[in-house]
Amino acid sequence: ELKVEQNPLFLSMQEGKNYTIYCNYSTTSDRLYWYRQDPGKSLESLFVLLSNGAVKQEGRLMASLDTKARLSTLHITAAVHDLSATYFCAVEMNRDDKIIFGKGTRLHILP
Amino acid sequence: DVKVTQSSRYLVKRTGEKVFLECVQDMDHENMFWYRQDPGLGLRLIYFSYDVKMKEKGDIPEGYSVSREKKERFSLILESASTNQTSMYLCASSHLWTGTSNQPQHFGDGTRLSIL
Repeated sequence: ELKVEQNPLFLSMQEGKNYTIYCNYSTTSDRLYWYRQDPGKSLESLFVLLSNGAVKQEGRLMASLDTKARLSTLHITAAVHDLSATYFCAVEMNRDDKIIFGKGTRLHILP
Repeated sequence: DVKVTQSSRYLVKRTGEKVFLECVQDMDHENMFWYRQDPGLGLRLIYFSYDVKMKEKGDIPEGYSVSREKKERFSLILESASTNQTSMYLCASSHLWTGTSNQPQHFGDGTRLSIL
């Protein structure tokens, strides 16, 4: 059974700081997604990571995937208040399209 | 732009009622999903479907059923609603995994369901 764990579940940090959110998963998969959710809104896709060593960057966010370690990271560089949101990682089971989400990391960036 | 439309943003029903949540997507996606989102528990998969009339149980299917009679529409049914089914329900859709590339799931705005 696929389990997806995010760490931390809540993070409060000041603007300008760097931080990394971790996503561990329990079985073989090489497709991982990161989403952002703002309060009261639905989920918005940030990154799709499809292979070992994949790295994608958008603005102050960078995501990477290590399929051997079953680990993805979402790195925030020089955080700004607009990045306050809940971030979810989701892992797709190989070959059957079932997608399992982590519990989410609620990120609160203090101005 | 991909559009996933859920029929209601807010719904209030009574214990024991049969409840239908409807979801329609306009991108010819093969896969459709129903999740519920609860504080501290994240998103949990209830059911998903990879083709018309095909369905697979997710992690928490008890108390729910689904219907996919047309490719664009995926319905979630609460056979006899109970208070522990009060939650935010999210529908999503995506293309089938192709083996070479993937697109993310696209989500609807959610239905906040309250069972009294």
